[in-house]
Amino acid sequence: DAGVIQSPRHEVTEMGQEVTLRCKPISGHDYLFWYRQTMMRGLELLIYFNNNVPIDDSGMPEDRFSAKMPNASFSTLKIQPSEPRDSAVYFCASSFGKKNIQYFGAGTRLSVL
Amino acid sequence: RKEVEQDPGPFNVPEGATVAFNCTYSNSASQSFFWYRQDCRKEPKLLMSVYSSGNEDGRFTAQLNRASQYISLLIRDSKLSDSATYLCVVNNKYSGGGADGLTFGKGTHLIIQP
Repeated sequence: DAGVIQSPRHEVTEMGQEVTLRCKPISGHDYLFWYRQTMMRGLELLIYFNNNVPIDDSGMPEDRFSAKMPNASFSTLKIQPSEPRDSAVYFCASSFGKKNIQYFGAGTRLSVL
Repeated sequence: RKEVEQDPGPFNVPEGATVAFNCTYSNSASQSFFWYRQDCRKEPKLLMSVYSSGNEDGRFTAQLNRASQYISLLIRDSKLSDSATYLCVVNNKYSGGGADGLTFGKGTHLIIQP
């Protein structure tokens, strides 16, 4: 079974550039989550979707961040413009129903110079 | 008080030893609990769910103490491959149903030494 697939695995960009991270959840899962992980703050929930609809985006740090889920098999997290403090590992996770067991993708390691 | 707190460690433990660590949570209405494992530069993966009666999976035992609001993880006969960061995860359901509200602790770093 294919797990959660994220791309790219690594992204290095310059401050001010737009960054787009991509995620394909596990087929059949109805929840999708975007997290950010740093040494200082640990794993933080940014936003999650249920059946492609954003449910809670209170973790999105500011307006520079946006996320979409146009269909059940694809989601994007966009940062525009990017800043050095956005450097982190961004994980996408998906789950099915109310079991709350989340399966994580391998993450995107973002470095903003 | 942070929602989910863990001792960051590192815990340095000789191979074969037993190690235990706890995690405290602040929301008394929390309904479900998990331990995830994260290897260096990898994604978190579910290790085990934590049930009210306690549960065991091979060398791993998880316990929940609702009165004191903590969960624990015990690893017996530790192996070198157990070296990882263990994340405590609590589901704070502020509204009805759904997979929302998972809060992750920052993790406890475990190093098993030969």
